Amino acid sequence: QVQLVQSGPEVKKPGASVRVSCQASGYTFTSFGISWVRQAPGQGLEWMGWISAHNGNTNYAQKLRGRVTMTTDTSTSTAYMELRSLRSDDTAVYYCTRGPVLLSDFDYWGQGTLVTVSS
Amino acid sequence: EIVLTQSPATLSLSPGESATLSCGASQSVSSNSLAWYQQKPGLAPRLLIYDASRRATGIPDRFSGSGSMRDFTLTISRLEPEDFAVYYCQQYGSSPPITFGQGTRLEIK
Repeated sequence: QVQLVQSGPEVKKPGASVRVSCQASGYTFTSFGISWVRQAPGQGLEWMGWISAHNGNTNYAQKLRGRVTMTTDTSTSTAYMELRSLRSDDTAVYYCTRGPVLLSDFDYWGQGTLVTVSS
Repeated sequence: EIVLTQSPATLSLSPGESATLSCGASQSVSSNSLAWYQQKPGLAPRLLIYDASRRATGIPDRFSGSGSMRDFTLTISRLEPEDFAVYYCQQYGSSPPITFGQGTRLEIK
């Protein structure tokens, strides 16, 4: 069965960087892309961007461009999301999701990774 | 960017009743590319409906989606106790960004 398993919680200071991983199984990794979605405490869902696991093409939400980088490692079927220059309002649960193309619904989700930014 | 507005913010109903949740878009959503998700506390969202009206795998038929262009509806008939959660709509029809509504909380009356 399809699974997306994410790395564990992180606590970071303002200005630091964080990298969250998402290991996929149960499907052909390179046939789909991965979108990242985050959810601040008690808030709604925010799409951060997408990466093609086939060719590495990316598309980032405009508000995060310059601070976010998404990559994949096809040898381990793992996607990564790095967010730099962290601020307190980056505190959120970060989810990886599977999407066949850039514009798609999300049929499978990781369990989420809580990133806390605090001094 | 397409803004999605969900209403009501909170809906209080009893098990066995029917729920109607609305999602309005600031612009027409091309190809009816709209999805609905259910989220329970501490869990990731679960896909219920895609392409406005298609049920995702394993979703009971008491969940149905309808609508087009700028107005979409999620209907849940015969509410079960496990249906009380937060529901989000999402559009994926136009050029990025993908956007979500702010959510509707369905609570037990």
